[in-house]
Amino acid sequence: DAGVTQSPTHLIKTRGQQVTLRCSPKSGHDTVSWYQQALGQGPQFIFQYYEEEERQRGNFPDRFSGHQFPNYSSELNVNALLLGDSALYLCASSRRSERVHVYEQYFGPGTRLTVT
Amino acid sequence: SQQGEEDPQALSIQEGENATMNCSYKTSINNLQWYRQNSGRGLVHLILIRSNEREKHSGRLRVTLDTSKKSSSLLITASRAADTASYFCATVPDRGSTLGRLYFGRGTQLTVWP
Repeated sequence: DAGVTQSPTHLIKTRGQQVTLRCSPKSGHDTVSWYQQALGQGPQFIFQYYEEEERQRGNFPDRFSGHQFPNYSSELNVNALLLGDSALYLCASSRRSERVHVYEQYFGPGTRLTVT
Repeated sequence: SQQGEEDPQALSIQEGENATMNCSYKTSINNLQWYRQNSGRGLVHLILIRSNEREKHSGRLRVTLDTSKKSSSLLITASRAADTASYFCATVPDRGSTLGRLYFGRGTQLTVWP
């Protein structure tokens, strides 16, 4: 049973460019959340997708957008990259359709984004 | 802030000793979770404790929750070098609108020396 997978592992971009990160949830999971973790900090919630719609959003600008596909996988897009966007981007999946499990989140290994 | 805040920021101990990390938060919660992260990699879920629970055990881990003080502690007994990692507490507020959203603290960096 594959866990949460993310691609790519590492990415280097230049200021002003756009980036797309990908996440495949754990088998049986239907909800995907994205977090940004700056160096030395705890993860910060970006947004959450369920049934292909954004359900919750953290305090991030509109440059951060996402998508969820019918197979529950998800993408995180960041436009007009800034140096401050350099961070580890983590994807977490959960099973919202079963309330008893809704709080159990499984994290992927993350994508390390460096903006130069 | 709804975020948990861990204390201490860094902890250095010898193998075999116990490690205790604390977490404080400000709002009422549905549950509190502890995670481990090795060298900037993905987070590993350790334990979840619900607001109506006071203590929970999992192997060498013991978590306590005091909702009156809005605090939790994570105890790792008989620590090993492999326990070296960052440990984060994450809270889930007691509001349906934030279902499944985790609020993390800055973490405690634990170093266990052989």
